[in-house]
Amino acid sequence: EPEVTQTPSHQVTQMGQEVILRCVPISNHLYFYWYRQILGQKVEFLVSFYNNEISEKSEIFDDQFSVERPDGSNFTLKIRSTKLEDSAMYFCASKYGYYEQYFGPGTRLTVT
Amino acid sequence: KNEVEQSPQNLTAQEGEFITINCSYSVGISALHWLQQHPGGGIVSLFMLSSGKKKHGRLIATINIQEKHSSLHITASHPRDSAVYICAVGGGGSNYKLTFGKGTLLTVNP
Repeated sequence: EPEVTQTPSHQVTQMGQEVILRCVPISNHLYFYWYRQILGQKVEFLVSFYNNEISEKSEIFDDQFSVERPDGSNFTLKIRSTKLEDSAMYFCASKYGYYEQYFGPGTRLTVT
Repeated sequence: KNEVEQSPQNLTAQEGEFITINCSYSVGISALHWLQQHPGGGIVSLFMLSSGKKKHGRLIATINIQEKHSSLHITASHPRDSAVYICAVGGGGSNYKLTFGKGTLLTVNP
């Protein structure tokens, strides 16, 4: 069964450093999402992406964040200058149309 | 902004018991999702509902659009069902974001 993959599974970085989280969505899917979950809290929406552009973004998704689909298969989330409060599990998700979203296994980001 | 409330927050059951987890939301939606999250964090989609009822094995999900309420039932619960169950809702067109509840931690003891 096709699945969404994410790399790395765990990333440790120092405050102020740039990180790129990578996702490979399911190949025929059209809609792509990033969500995050701070430890002990609920999952929160960050950004949605369709037709090579951002469809919607949350208040969390400020100028420090960017997304890209550079080659038609990967979908990346970049955080330019990480803060301690960016420590969280980041989930990528994708879907084909009006169907359920498929989630990747997540990348645990730890900012020290 | 949709508010998603789940109850209970924590649930402990004995193996074989019938489990019900409830979800209510404040604003009309296109679809409601039930998700499962195991320790270690991965999220698995269980159901997507826009009306009525769906069944998959021992899991049953129902939704009442008028009352803005959904329930997830697990029949003949098993220790492997132990996980966090999350309700999430979305609205407006195909490209909808999900708004999540806080989740219900289910522990099934043998």
